[in-house]
Amino acid sequence: QVQLVESGGGLVKPGGSLRLSCAASGFTFSDYYMSWIRQAPGKGLEWVSYISSSGSTIYYADSVKGRFTISRDNAKNSLYLQMNSLRAEDTAVYYCARDQTEGADGYNTIFDYWGQGTLVTVSS
Amino acid sequence: DIQMTQSPSAMSASVGDRVTITCRASQGISNYLAWFQQKPGKVPKRLIYAASSLQSGVPSRFSGSGSGTEFTLTISSLQPEDFATYYCLQHNSYPPTFGQGTKLEIK
Repeated sequence: QVQLVESGGGLVKPGGSLRLSCAASGFTFSDYYMSWIRQAPGKGLEWVSYISSSGSTIYYADSVKGRFTISRDNAKNSLYLQMNSLRAEDTAVYYCARDQTEGADGYNTIFDYWGQGTLVTVSS
Repeated sequence: DIQMTQSPSAMSASVGDRVTITCRASQGISNYLAWFQQKPGKVPKRLIYAASSLQSGVPSRFSGSGSGTEFTLTISSLQPEDFATYYCLQHNSYPPTFGQGTKLEIK
């Protein structure tokens, strides 16, 4: 069965850094694009970043562009999010989610599986 | 960016009611629309993809319709486990954007 397990969250001071990881299993990780999505306490869902299956195409939300870096290691079935220059408004639960795959109907898998989330708290 | 506007933002209903939630896109998105359910403290769960396709394992009382700029999620007969917050998502173009959510509460 498909599993996504995030790790790396925690408490960090403003201006600090954290690296989130997402370990994937139960599917061919290298076939799928992957995304990070976050949810601030009591708020809605916000897409953060996307990486294509090969890692050649990457997108970021304007709110994190220049501060966050998404990457993946297909040999390790892992997705990462390096978060620098963290701000209080980055406080949220961060989810990794399976995104699209290649092919005519590849978009049908968008966000069909999510990890359990990891909480990032930015506070002094 | 494409804005997704859900209505209502909150509503109350009774078990057995038929409920409809609407999502409007600020520009046409074809059928690149999904619906998610989230219960407090839980991970979002996809219910509908491609505007009207039911996710495997999701009860048939859930249905989706629409194309272009206006979409609806319908629950034909509310069950106690359906009280949750619902989000729409457009993925026609980057960035993918979620609606603000509709909180469905027990009347």
